[in-house]
Amino acid sequence: GAVVSQHPSWVICKSGTSVKIECRSLDFQATTMFWYRQFPKQSLMLMATSNEGSKATYEQGVEKDKFLINHASLTLSTLTVTSAHPEDSSFYICSGQGTDNYGYTFGSGTRLTVV
Amino acid sequence: AQRVTQPEKLLSVFKGAPVELKCNYSYSGSPELFWYVQYSRQRLQLLLRHISRESIKGFTADLNKGETSFHLKKPFAQEEDSAMYYCDLNSGNTPLVFGKGTRLSVIA
Repeated sequence: GAVVSQHPSWVICKSGTSVKIECRSLDFQATTMFWYRQFPKQSLMLMATSNEGSKATYEQGVEKDKFLINHASLTLSTLTVTSAHPEDSSFYICSGQGTDNYGYTFGSGTRLTVV
Repeated sequence: AQRVTQPEKLLSVFKGAPVELKCNYSYSGSPELFWYVQYSRQRLQLLLRHISRESIKGFTADLNKGETSFHLKKPFAQEEDSAMYYCDLNSGNTPLVFGKGTRLSVIA
């Protein structure tokens, strides 16, 4: 079945540094990639939607200059957390959808800890 | 606006007891509804979708348009069913509209 590979699985970084998270669709073309954030004991919250070749659409309250999303190809989308702060520590997960509407395929998530 | 409501944050049942995880939605068109499951420390997985009308791991869910519900049911709960369950409405190429999730705890 469709697989989205997300890396890294976990990362610890210093406050003020930037972290890049990659999501690759391995056997399908993800025309749309969604990025979610999940704080402990809370539901997934959508951060942004990206369509291949277009600028991402950010949800209200999500800083686009802080969370840079690139979806340059149908198989790769990246989320860069710039100038990370401890409050950015969270679980980030991507999900991709191809042209066939078989539901969403999720990455395995990235646990970001900013110290 | 699209909305999904899972009224129970936590549901505890004894092993062997029936399970019903509630999901209500609001959507003006014809929705596609899904249930996702997240086992501890694992990725979200698609459990089932209403149009397939299949049973996965003993779970079924029927779309009730009159009641705008898509409750997830299983006649006999097992310990390995303990997980977080999310109901989701998909109207096409739009973001997931997740419910807040229900944590199912099956007690031995």
